[in-house]
Amino acid sequence: EDQVTQSPEALRLQEGESSSLNCSYTVSGLRGLFWYRQDPGKGPEFLFTLYSAGEEKEKERLKATLTKKESFLHITAPKPEDSATYLCAVAGANNLFFGTGTRLTVIP
Amino acid sequence: DTEVTQTPKHLVMGMTNKKSLKCEQHMGHRAMYWYKQKAKKPPELMFVYSYEKLSINESVPSRFSPECPNSSLLNLHLHALQPEDSALYLCASSQAGQGLYSPLHFGNGTRLTVT
Repeated sequence: EDQVTQSPEALRLQEGESSSLNCSYTVSGLRGLFWYRQDPGKGPEFLFTLYSAGEEKEKERLKATLTKKESFLHITAPKPEDSATYLCAVAGANNLFFGTGTRLTVIP
Repeated sequence: DTEVTQTPKHLVMGMTNKKSLKCEQHMGHRAMYWYKQKAKKPPELMFVYSYEKLSINESVPSRFSPECPNSSLLNLHLHALQPEDSALYLCASSQAGQGLYSPLHFGNGTRLTVT
């Protein structure tokens, strides 16, 4: 059965304290894994697409990596403006599955 | 600023009302979507239009009726809604492929409250 699990559900970090968010997946025929950022009351904003194990993408303080079973979103020296919910979505053969997200709070 | 524009931003309607949500994109995308999102939950797919034809209907009740007048516009017509239909309704677009190969570009949604 195809599924996506994100952990932790919520994460509080001090400003500058690096950490990682996890997205574990089980899907037949991975077509792509997507990371989105969602601010309260707004639509998700696309961050990265990863297509194959070993692939990495970077944008400012964020770096996404992919293995055959999971993806990590690494946040280096986060700032308060990085506070948001981070959603992972996995595309299988015929469907796109969203995880329940990690709610990140960065404290000044 | 998002490249997918949704109107209105907020909507309050009674259970006997008829209203419409509108979505517009000018990125040349040929796939457009309606998602429903409840608080602290991930988006749930409702409908997919590919090349202006309805390609996916995720068993959505008939009180929700989608329409795609052209490749840039997507509407969601609402009537006889229930209070449990209150949610954030998100429109998204992508290059053709139903979002499986290319990322979704979301609007900021319409916050719907059914009284």
